[in-house]
Amino acid sequence: DAGVIQSPRHEVTEMGQEVTLRCKPISGHDYLFWYRQTMMRGLELLIYFNNNVPIDDSGMPEDRFSAKMPNASFSTLKIQPSEPRDSAVYFCASLEGSEAGNTIYFGEGSWLTVV
Amino acid sequence: ILNVEQSPQSLHVQEGDSTNFTCSFPSSNFYALHWYRWETAKSPEALFVMTLNGDEKKKGRISATLNTKEGYSYLYIKGSQPEDSATYLCAFRVGSNYQLIWGAGTKLIIKP
Repeated sequence: DAGVIQSPRHEVTEMGQEVTLRCKPISGHDYLFWYRQTMMRGLELLIYFNNNVPIDDSGMPEDRFSAKMPNASFSTLKIQPSEPRDSAVYFCASLEGSEAGNTIYFGEGSWLTVV
Repeated sequence: ILNVEQSPQSLHVQEGDSTNFTCSFPSSNFYALHWYRWETAKSPEALFVMTLNGDEKKKGRISATLNTKEGYSYLYIKGSQPEDSATYLCAFRVGSNYQLIWGAGTKLIIKP
């Protein structure tokens, strides 16, 4: 199994530019999560989907952030316009089923630097 | 405000020694506790998902216990090796939704 695949792994962009992060969940997993990791706030859940439908986006910081999941094998997280405070590691994760004992699997993260 | 605390924040351990650290979480509305091992530039690796009070789980030299009544979990590493150096994160799952509350992690450094 290839695991959760994220791209790009690293991105450096200028303030004001649009950033699109991509994620391919593990095949067969029906939940997909977007997290952000910063030194100050640790791991924060931004949004999660179930069967491609956004369920909870209360963690999305502001209107500059948007996420889509057009099909079961692909999701994007977009930041427009980007700001230096958006610099962080963005993780995508996926999960099969909803039972308490199920494991959430993470991708390797997209390291974003906005200058 | 729900809070998950991990202690210590960092830990230096001599190779070969055993060690343990703690994750404290709210004792109400418990659904599950997750342990992850995270090396920088890699994906967090799932170690355990614990759901029942008194659970004990083991994976090689790493084991974990769970006490949901008092709200803590211990992670033990027996005979530490350099490859155990990582940050160990725990996450508390509140109810059946997926808002995991994450601890700040314990950074473990194994000295050869």
